[in-house]
Formats: sequence, structure tokens, C-alpha cells
Amino acid sequence: AQTVTQSQPEMSVQEAETVTLSCTYDTSENNYYLFWYKQPPSRQMILVIRQEAYKQQNATENRFSVNFQKAAKSFSLKISDSQLGDTAMYFCAFIQGAQKLVFGQGTRLTINP
Amino acid sequence: GAGVSQTPSNKVTEKGKYVELRCDPISGHTALYWYRQSLGQGPEFLIYFQGTGAADDSGLPNDRFFAVRPEGSVSTLKIQRTERGDSAVYLCASSTGLADTQYFGPGTRLTVL
Repeated sequence: AQTVTQSQPEMSVQEAETVTLSCTYDTSENNYYLFWYKQPPSRQMILVIRQEAYKQQNATENRFSVNFQKAAKSFSLKISDSQLGDTAMYFCAFIQGAQKLVFGQGTRLTINP
Repeated sequence: GAGVSQTPSNKVTEKGKYVELRCDPISGHTALYWYRQSLGQGPEFLIYFQGTGAADDSGLPNDRFFAVRPEGSVSTLKIQRTERGDSAVYLCASSTGLADTQYFGPGTRLTVL
């Protein structure tokens, strides 16, 4: 069974700092997709970034970038120049074959002014 | 509509009652998913529709849970004889198909007293 592990239940940084959220996953497949979703208190799950496993290049979206290490099954999210609006729960998720997303437990990120 | 919508936003019911939760996906999205998110946890898969048919219902916890999507658009998640353990946020997502990004609605918070 596929599993996703986020080892940091909570993180806190100052505004404008850079923060990295960790995620590891377990799969025996070669072709799959990885995602980071953000969930603010409003409950809406918002896509932050997506990575296709067959692509060696790390995905980037403005201040958000990933470090995808396929051999190590690691998929960390880096947020640069953090903003107060980045405060939220962040979930790492994996999808392969069966279409269902498998989520990690989440990391609660707080950006302090 | 612009995004996935879910109604009601909140539902409070008594143990043993029947509830229906509605999801209206993004127009043109053929795939629709239901997830359940317990407090402090990541979402867990319940069921996935491709068109009108349930392609994967392996996440439904028991036969009290049932979902339909009769016309391939709106879906209804039905829970019979609710139990206190059913209390959670029920999230709906839609996508254009295979391995595509899933876009989430704001969820329905179900509270069973």
C-alpha cells in the first residue's frame, strides 16, 4: 500500500524567511504524481504545486519549489520569502493508478509577523 | 461554476438519522471524488466516480455509506443511521481525468450528536 509521511507536525517561522516542509512516500511503482496542497482555516484544499515522477526537473511555482528525490522517495516543499497568508496546514499527497489521492498527516505552518 | 461547490457547509444531526451531502463539480470534469477528513488528520479516500459509475468505492467504511452520480455531474453522498464516529469534514474534488490535478470544494462539516 502507498503511504505518505510528513514528519513535522508543526513549524513556525518569521515573515520573509524561507521554510522547508518534508515529505516521504512509499511506492513500488515507477510512474506517479506528487502534490502539495494548502488548507487554510477556511477548509478549502488549495493546490500549491504538482510534480510528475517521470520529470527530473523540480517543479516551481513563484515562491514555491520542490526538491524531488525519486530514489530516496522524498518530496520536500520550499517556501521562499514567506508571507502571513502562507499560514495554513500543508498536505503532501501521492497519486498513482487507482486515481485516489493518498495524503500525509499534514504540517501546520505558522508565519509570524 | 468557477469551482467545486458543496452543500450544506455544516450539518448537525442526531445519532441514527439519515443525511445527504451534495457536491457540484467543476463544469466539464468527468471524475469526481469524495474524501473524509477527521480532526487533525489528512483526508482519506472514500469513493471515485468516472462519469456516472463508481470506479472505485474501496474507501467506503461500511454499508451505511453510499454515493450516487446519476447524470455524471452532481453527486450525493448518503449516510444512513449516522454514528458519532461519522463526524468529520467531507470533501469533494473533481478533475478532468486520469492523474489530473484534483480541485477541491470547501467541504461539509458533519457533526453527529
